[in-house]
Amino acid sequence: GAVVSQHPSRVICKSGTSVKIECRSLDFQATTMFWYRQFPKKSLMLMATSNEGSKATYEQGVEKDKFLINHASLTLSTLTVTSAHPEDSSFYICSASRQVLLYGYTFGSGTRLTVV
Amino acid sequence: SQQGEEDPQALSIQEGENATMNCSYKTSINNLQWYRQNSGRGLVHLILIRSNEREKHSGRLRVTLDTSKKSSSLLITASRAADTASYFCATDNYGGSQGNLIFGKGTKLSVKP
Repeated sequence: GAVVSQHPSRVICKSGTSVKIECRSLDFQATTMFWYRQFPKKSLMLMATSNEGSKATYEQGVEKDKFLINHASLTLSTLTVTSAHPEDSSFYICSASRQVLLYGYTFGSGTRLTVV
Repeated sequence: SQQGEEDPQALSIQEGENATMNCSYKTSINNLQWYRQNSGRGLVHLILIRSNEREKHSGRLRVTLDTSKKSSSLLITASRAADTASYFCATDNYGGSQGNLIFGKGTKLSVKP
């Protein structure tokens, strides 16, 4: 089946530094990947749609200069949280799909970011 | 924006009992999907039901969809302790061609052995 690998699973960083999160589709090519953010005991909120070879599409209220997305290949999208602040601490999850109507979306295992 | 709204927010049952979770949504959809999330982990796709389908089964799971009421239900039969997790419904408005999922707030299911 479709596998999406997300790395790292946990990261702790200091305020003001940048953190990169990787999302890879292991056994299929993904021209589009999605980045979500989940607050404790809350639902997932879409942050942006990552498009291979072009600019990402950000949801309203998401700062594109703060959350940099790069989708340089058909199997890799990266999310970089720049100049991180404690309020950026959250659970970030990526997803992609091979054939949505057959398999739904496949999610990475998520990244727990803690900014201290 | 929030689309699906699950009900109840939390559900606690004994092993062997059935668990029913409901989901309501607001706009037209192409399909509706149910996902499971174990604490601190990613989501696992459970089942997808298209807008022209009314019921679908997968193992111990049964999903219904009522587009006139904009609602769906997920039934887990003969529950097991391992079913303990959060369950989310998510609507796909574009059939995956360009869209993304809009998630509800989830139902936290606890199955006691």
